[in-house]
Amino acid sequence: DSGVTQTPKHLITATGQRVTLRCSPRSGDLSVYWYQQSLDQGLQFLIQYYNGEERAKGNILERFSAQQFPDLHSELNLSSLELGDSALYFCASSVAAYNEQFFGPGTRLTVL
Amino acid sequence: SQQGEEDPQALSIQEGENATMNCSYKTSINNLQWYRQNSGRGLVHLILIRSNEREKHSGRLRVTLDTSKKSSSLLITASRAADTASYFCATDAWNNAGNMLTFGGGTRLMVKP
Repeated sequence: DSGVTQTPKHLITATGQRVTLRCSPRSGDLSVYWYQQSLDQGLQFLIQYYNGEERAKGNILERFSAQQFPDLHSELNLSSLELGDSALYFCASSVAAYNEQFFGPGTRLTVL
Repeated sequence: SQQGEEDPQALSIQEGENATMNCSYKTSINNLQWYRQNSGRGLVHLILIRSNEREKHSGRLRVTLDTSKKSSSLLITASRAADTASYFCATDAWNNAGNMLTFGGGTRLMVKP
């Protein structure tokens, strides 16, 4: 158990819908990262927040957005969902940049 | 895009043998991290090696880093059936005001009892 929690574990929805994925980092970790794992693209970095502020951005679609709240939990919002958005979405946390990133169990999103 | 390329893509060995996985990358890094993933499940952090380190050990794991060749290797000694999993290297590098991990495609390791 990494100490990072993610909810829900599984999510099945239809094209065009919007979903919210939630992540709680390990106690004391200020940095939260979101990653997407799909069969065709592998593991890809989406976005990083540090103490409530966006710090780094990767291959995140405009339909996707994220935020980190004052209690340090983070949410990833995915809208206008397409079939290709079906993937495992991971959240990771670290105490600061360039330290070990510990991953949550992931949310498996299926878009039908 | 994936910075790390892992070799081999798949590896099958007998229990008790050693397993070596290699990772190559393209740009400057702050550190390199290795992860294990059991089928469809979460990523388990194994070890982090910083760019100024050459070798690191953790239990049955030995990681080397050669920044001049932009490559790393993960050695698992005395493998066990429970080591069966996919192994990923990930390079940690600067991105705007933050940092990000860039993952390789992974090595699928099967350890036969």
